[in-house]
Amino acid sequence: GIQVEQSPPDLILQEGANSTLRCNFSDSVNNLQWFHQNPWGQLINLFYIPSGTKQNGRLSATTVATERYSLLYISSSQTTDSGVYFCAVATGNQFYFGTGTSLTVIP
Amino acid sequence: NAGVMQNPRHLVRRRGQEARLRCSPMKGHSHVYWYRQLPEEGLKFMVYLQKENIIDESGMPKERFSAEFPKEGPSILRIQQVVRGDSAAYFCASSPPNAGSNEQFFGPGTRLTVL
Repeated sequence: GIQVEQSPPDLILQEGANSTLRCNFSDSVNNLQWFHQNPWGQLINLFYIPSGTKQNGRLSATTVATERYSLLYISSSQTTDSGVYFCAVATGNQFYFGTGTSLTVIP
Repeated sequence: NAGVMQNPRHLVRRRGQEARLRCSPMKGHSHVYWYRQLPEEGLKFMVYLQKENIIDESGMPKERFSAEFPKEGPSILRIQQVVRGDSAAYFCASSPPNAGSNEQFFGPGTRLTVL
C-alpha cells in the first residue's frame, strides 16, 4: 500500500499563531483529503485536494502531486482548531491515512 | 441534508458476543467504506461496498468480520465472537456514484468497547 507520512507529529501553538502541516506520500494518487478529528472523535472534511490549491477561511491547502506532498496551512489559530489533523490518499477507492498531526492551541 | 449516519454511537459488548454496526450513507451516495481506528492511530481501511456487492474487502480480518450493503436499508458491519482487541472506533464513509469525484464523507463513528 501507499505510505503516508505526516509532520510534525505534535504541535503546540499560542492562539493567533500560524502553522504548516505536511503530508508526504509514496505513490501517485487520484484522491487526497485533509480531515480534522476533533476532541470528540468526529472526522470533519477540510479539503478534497488531489492537486492544486484551495482556501476556506483561515485554512488553505496545496497539493503538488508530481512531488507527492501536500501542505495544510492554518492561520490565526484558535483553540477550537485543536485536535488531530489527518491526511488521507487513495489510488483507487481505498484510503491510506497518515498517523496525524496532533495540534493543541493554547489561549 | 443529512450526512453519513452511524448507530449506535457507543456499543459495549462482552467477549464472545456479537456486534452489529450500522451505516446509512449520504443521500444519493451508493458507495460505502468501513474503516477502523485503534487508539492513538490513524484509520485503516476494512471494506468497500456498493449496493448488494462487496467490491474490495482486502482490509477485513479473515475471520469473525463480515459486511453487507443490502438493496434496502443501511450497511452493516458485523463482528462475531468479539475479543478485547476489537475495541476501536469504527467509521463509515460514503461517496457519490459519479466517477468525477471520489471524495469520501465520514460518519461520526461507532465506538466499540469489549469488556
